[in-house]
Amino acid sequence: AQSVAQPEDQVNVAEGNPLTVKCTYSVSGNPYLFWYVQYPNRGLQFLLKYITGDNLVKGSYGFEAEFNKSQTSFHLKKPSALVSDSALYFCAVRDPFSGGYNKLIFGAGTRLAVHP
Amino acid sequence: ETGVTQTPRHLVMGMTNKKSLKCEQHLGHNAMYWYKQSAKKPLELMFVYSLEERVENNSVPSRFSPECPNSSHLFLHLHTLQPEDSALYLCASGDLQGGNTEAFFGQGTRLTVV
Repeated sequence: AQSVAQPEDQVNVAEGNPLTVKCTYSVSGNPYLFWYVQYPNRGLQFLLKYITGDNLVKGSYGFEAEFNKSQTSFHLKKPSALVSDSALYFCAVRDPFSGGYNKLIFGAGTRLAVHP
Repeated sequence: ETGVTQTPRHLVMGMTNKKSLKCEQHLGHNAMYWYKQSAKKPLELMFVYSLEERVENNSVPSRFSPECPNSSHLFLHLHTLQPEDSALYLCASGDLQGGNTEAFFGQGTRLTVV
């Protein structure tokens, strides 16, 4: 079965330090991978995606993610965290059997807390 | 904002009420989605409409009834809900290009069933 795992419920980081939010996936074929962020009482906002090409993907707000096929991982990173980055982060993979539309399989989410 | 608008933002309804959630997108997309987000659970895909045709219904109870009158609008009609249906309901839209484009989400409707 296709699945996404975010092994950490919460990640705590001091402002200015680098951050990593982990994601591993299990999917048939080549994965289409996405990261979304959710601020309190808001919907999900797209951050970045990996479809093909360079394993290091750059996205919004200074975030980037590294696709590692051998480890089936797609970890989200940022060199220097901001307090305003505190939010809920979701990793998602496209269900390869969803036809032409984007049926996404989401992880459970990781809460990022950046402390001043 | 993402170009996907949901109304209302908050809704409190009794178990015998009938209400509807509305979603509107101005992005020219031709696929629309309803997701349910409950506390401490992964997002659950409820329904998918592709070119105004329902292409997926993930075993959702019949007390939830979707409607897609055109490619810009999506509704979720609610009736005789249960307290466990309280959740954040998210609408999303996307393009039909082999699924390699991202979905855009609305801000959600926070539903409380009393």
